[in-house]
Amino acid sequence: DQQVKQNSPSLSVQEGRISILNCDYTNSMFDYFLWYKKYPAEGPTFLISISSIKDKNEDGRFTVFLNKSAKHLSLHIVPSQPGDSAVYFCAASDGYQFYFGTGTSLTVIP
Amino acid sequence: DARVTQTPRHKVTEMGQEVTMRCQPILGHNTVFWYRQTMMQGLELLAYFRNRAPLDDSGMPKDRFSAEMPDATLATLKIQPSEPRDSAVYFCASGLGSGITSTDTQYFGPGTRLTVL
Repeated sequence: DQQVKQNSPSLSVQEGRISILNCDYTNSMFDYFLWYKKYPAEGPTFLISISSIKDKNEDGRFTVFLNKSAKHLSLHIVPSQPGDSAVYFCAASDGYQFYFGTGTSLTVIP
Repeated sequence: DARVTQTPRHKVTEMGQEVTMRCQPILGHNTVFWYRQTMMQGLELLAYFRNRAPLDDSGMPKDRFSAEMPDATLATLKIQPSEPRDSAVYFCASGLGSGITSTDTQYFGPGTRLTVL
C-alpha cells in the first residue's frame, strides 16, 4: 500500500516555464518531506526538504509547498532548464523511516 | 568529494544463483539503508542499519534476502537463491542519524542493476 503517491509518471515543460510536480500522502504522522532528483544510471540526490511546521521552503529555482490539510506537497521549478530533465521522487518521513513515491519523469524541452 | 559506492554496478545471473551486492557508506555516516527500485513500487525500503546494528529489515523477503554490516565501511545485501522477480535496481544510501529517528538526508549510491534470468 503506497503511502506516498506521485500520480503523474511523466511531465513535459518548455524551457523557461514553470514545472510543477505533485505528491500526495496518506499518513498524517509524516512530519518531514523531501524531494530527490535522479539522473539515469545514478542514485537519487537530495534536492530540497520541508518540515511539517512550514508550508513553504525555497532554494533558488526550487520551491516546495506543503498543504497538510490536503496531505499534498508540490515542487515548483522556475524557470525550468533542460538540465532539470530527470526523475523526481518525493519522500516522507514519520521519524522512523522514509517512504518514497514512484517518481515523476520531467522533460524540459529546449 | 565523499560519496556512497556500490559494487557491482551491473549483475546478470541465472535463477537460483547467489547474488551479493556491496556498499561502502560515506565515512562517518552511521546509518545505512538498502532500497529496491521497481517501476510499480518506486523505492522500497528493504533494510536499514544504525551503528552497524539492524534496525528494520521488515521490507526484505526473509527466506532469501539477508543484509549485514561486517564493519562500518561495508554493508552487504545477499540474495540466495535469486529469482527473476528480484530483477531491479538496488540502492544503498547512508546518512547521519541519532536516537531512534531516521536521518534527515540520505545520500544514495549509484545502484546495482540486477537481472536474474
